[in-house]
Order: sequence, then C-alpha cells, then structure tokens
Amino acid sequence: EAQVTQNPRYLITVTGKKLTVTCSQNMNHEYMSWYRQDPGLGLRQIYYSMNVEVTDKGDVPEGYKVSRKEKRNFPLILESPSPNQTSLYFCASRGDRMNTGELFFGEGSRLTVL
Amino acid sequence: ILNVEQSPQSLHVQEGDSTNFTCSFPSSNFYALHWYRWETAKSPEALFVMTLNGDEKKKGRISATLNTKEGYSYLYIKGSQPEDSATYLCASFNDYKLSFGAGTTVTVRA
Repeated sequence: EAQVTQNPRYLITVTGKKLTVTCSQNMNHEYMSWYRQDPGLGLRQIYYSMNVEVTDKGDVPEGYKVSRKEKRNFPLILESPSPNQTSLYFCASRGDRMNTGELFFGEGSRLTVL
Repeated sequence: ILNVEQSPQSLHVQEGDSTNFTCSFPSSNFYALHWYRWETAKSPEALFVMTLNGDEKKKGRISATLNTKEGYSYLYIKGSQPEDSATYLCASFNDYKLSFGAGTTVTVRA
C-alpha cells in the first residue's frame, strides 16, 4: 500500500530536549516536505527536499533541521525544542518536482513541548 | 507567503442538504489549485488538482470549479452525508510555491 509514515504520532517533551520525527514514503517520490498546522492558520511549510541530499527552507524553518540521505526518508529534527514548536506536523511527498501534482500526506505527528 | 483564503471557516449542514464553500487565491503567476479532504486523526487526501480556467472536476457527490482570472474556486457537496464531515483544504500554486488556506470545517448533522 502506498503510504507516508510518520513517527511518533504523539509526543510530549520538555524544552531543550532534542527530538526527531521520522518520515518515510514507499512510493519512490523525489519530493518530500514538512508542514506544521496551527489553529486558524493554513499548513505552513518548514523544509522541503527535491531529491537526495537536496534540501531547502520553507516559510517557517527556524528551530528545525532536516536531512535527506535516502530517497525514502526525510526526518525532521528539533535540536532544542521550545513551546512555540507545539504543533501538528505533517510530512508529505509528491511524485513529480512540479507543484501541479497532488501531495501524499502522513497521518501527522502531534508534538507538545512543555 | 501567499494569501490563500477560505470561507467560511466552518459550517454546519443537515444530512441530505447540499453546500458549497470558497477558496480565493492570487491570480497572478497561477499554475494549479489543489483541494484536500482532511478527517480528524487521518492524513489529508487529495480530492482535485485543477489547472485550467473554467475547469470543473467531480468525484462522487463532491465537485469543484475553478476561475483563474478572478482567483477563486468553489467546492460543492451534493446531498451531504455524515461521512462528508471533515476539513477541506485548498492550496494554490503560484510562483513555484504551494500555499495552503486555513480550511473550511464541515459538520454534517444527521
């Protein structure tokens, strides 16, 4: 089954404790992206990757890092989480490099930073 | 960040009734308009990707229209059912960037 898998789905952590949210897709997609979703706001892009070893900042990259060592995996790293990073995070992938193709989303990771 | 707006923010509809809601987006340098359906605790799923002015797409009881000249799209749900309860997200691709609206949350009352 074609899917995007995120882990963990839920996490409560404390300020400053490094964490990684993993994302894996099995569709051989080149493009992958991370978004955060906050009440009243649209999905905002954090980072994206057009291919292996190619990553770029989205609209709200501060406080986050990513890596793309393999095509299927695109982890999101919070080196020193802060309460303003409490949010619902979505990983997504797309088969083509152009934005005209639909995105395939993971089920989301709800992060709470105390 | 592009200004993609959806209205209303939420709506309630009686089972069996039809409804529609709007996505407005910048018409300049437009390439595509996406609609996604997002049920709580699940992944957003693509409904439509539309590119041409005047385009109309349909999937079951859900359909969408696109006006790229004036920068709006309508999503229609005909004969709403409880399973249509979800948040509907639109996203506009302008200047090589995809920007999302905040969504319209639809609640269908039995």
